[in-house]
Amino acid sequence: GQQLNQSPQSMFIQEGEDVSMNCTSSSIFNTWLWYKQDPGEGPVLLIALYKAGELTSNGRLTAQFGITRKDSFLNISASIPSDVGIYFCAGRTSGSRLTFGEGTQLTVNP
Amino acid sequence: GAVVSQHPSWVICKSGTSVKIECRSLDFQATTMFWYRQFPKQSLMLMATSNEGSKATYEQGVEKDKFLINHASLTLSTLTVTSAHPEDSSFYICSAPSGGHTDTQYFGPGTRLTVL
Repeated sequence: GQQLNQSPQSMFIQEGEDVSMNCTSSSIFNTWLWYKQDPGEGPVLLIALYKAGELTSNGRLTAQFGITRKDSFLNISASIPSDVGIYFCAGRTSGSRLTFGEGTQLTVNP
Repeated sequence: GAVVSQHPSWVICKSGTSVKIECRSLDFQATTMFWYRQFPKQSLMLMATSNEGSKATYEQGVEKDKFLINHASLTLSTLTVTSAHPEDSSFYICSAPSGGHTDTQYFGPGTRLTVL
């Protein structure tokens, strides 16, 4: 089946630093989605990308849909303590079914 | 964004009992909903696709008689864990594509199931 390789698995950074994480796949996706999950909660949608090459921002977050349609990255600028959580990428080919990456655990030290 | 709710948020039950979890789309209709389970420090694993008015589609390895899914209306899907055992303890999350763009899925807050 389809697999998404998400990296890094975890990150430990200082408040104020920028963060970058990415997902790659051997398959082409039509949509890339980035979610954040806090402990004991469901994932919350951060950014949705629908077109190859698309670069979209949401506040301090920026994500890009790779031109090959096989990868995507998420950047967080000037991190703050509330950015702590697990970030998941998800890709969609056809229909509504998503394939998820393994997640990136982000820790921000004040 | 679209809002999806789940009930209950957590449940503790004895081994052998059945537990029903509800997933509702609050401000949009969803002909399709998805059920996931998530173990600690792991990603979401799709269990099944719930289809309004028809049978659910289960992923390989997921027992359909164990995890009963009913999608009786355009805003409600239920997952019933039958004859629950401790190994069924997990975090169960539902999602639904929003009415505005079918490519975007919104997740419920999850249900923590603990089977004693």
